[in-house]
Amino acid sequence: AQTVTQSQPEMSVQEAETVTLSCTYDTSESDYYLFWYKQPPSRQMILVIRQEAYKQQNATENRFSVNFQKAAKSFSLKISDSQLGDAAMYFCAYRSENSGNTPLVFGKGTRLSVIA
Amino acid sequence: GAVVSQHPSRVICKSGTSVKIECRSLDFQATTMFWYRQFPKQSLMLMATSNEGSKATYEQGVEKDKFLINHASLTLSTLTVTSAHPEDSSFYICSARRGGVGYTFGSGTRLTVV
Repeated sequence: AQTVTQSQPEMSVQEAETVTLSCTYDTSESDYYLFWYKQPPSRQMILVIRQEAYKQQNATENRFSVNFQKAAKSFSLKISDSQLGDAAMYFCAYRSENSGNTPLVFGKGTRLSVIA
Repeated sequence: GAVVSQHPSRVICKSGTSVKIECRSLDFQATTMFWYRQFPKQSLMLMATSNEGSKATYEQGVEKDKFLINHASLTLSTLTVTSAHPEDSSFYICSARRGGVGYTFGSGTRLTVV
């Protein structure tokens, strides 16, 4: 079974600075997808960024980018120019490519605080 | 974009009663719905996977008779917590596949059993 590990329960960053959230995963599959989700205090899950394992190029979405290291099974999220609205729980998630009924497997999350 | 409407957002019920949570896909057909449970400051734990027109598949340790899942149509899946007890108090979230690799989450239901 696949597992996702987020080793940083809490992180903090100064407003306008850059922060990197870590995520590692364990799988024997070669095709899969990785995600970062944000869960603000409203608890609505919001997709931040997605990476297909077959793509070597790291995904980027505005201020959010990932460092995907397939061999190391690492998938970190970099948030640039941090804003107060970035404060939230961030979950790293894995999805197998095997079937359409595959759920997301989540890490335990990292709580990000942004300091004004 | 794809929206999953989840109701109610909050519910308080008495111990021993049943509560139904609905997740409705508003602008797409959700052939598969995932139900998660989230304890305070913890991650999402998959409870079950439901497919339209068939029985749900429950994760190990999840009581099928307590957490009844129905997915009778392509736009509606329900989770009924039967004979609820205080330990069932939690945050419940549904998530629907919407084609490709996309997932859409409901806004969650905070259940408090008193």
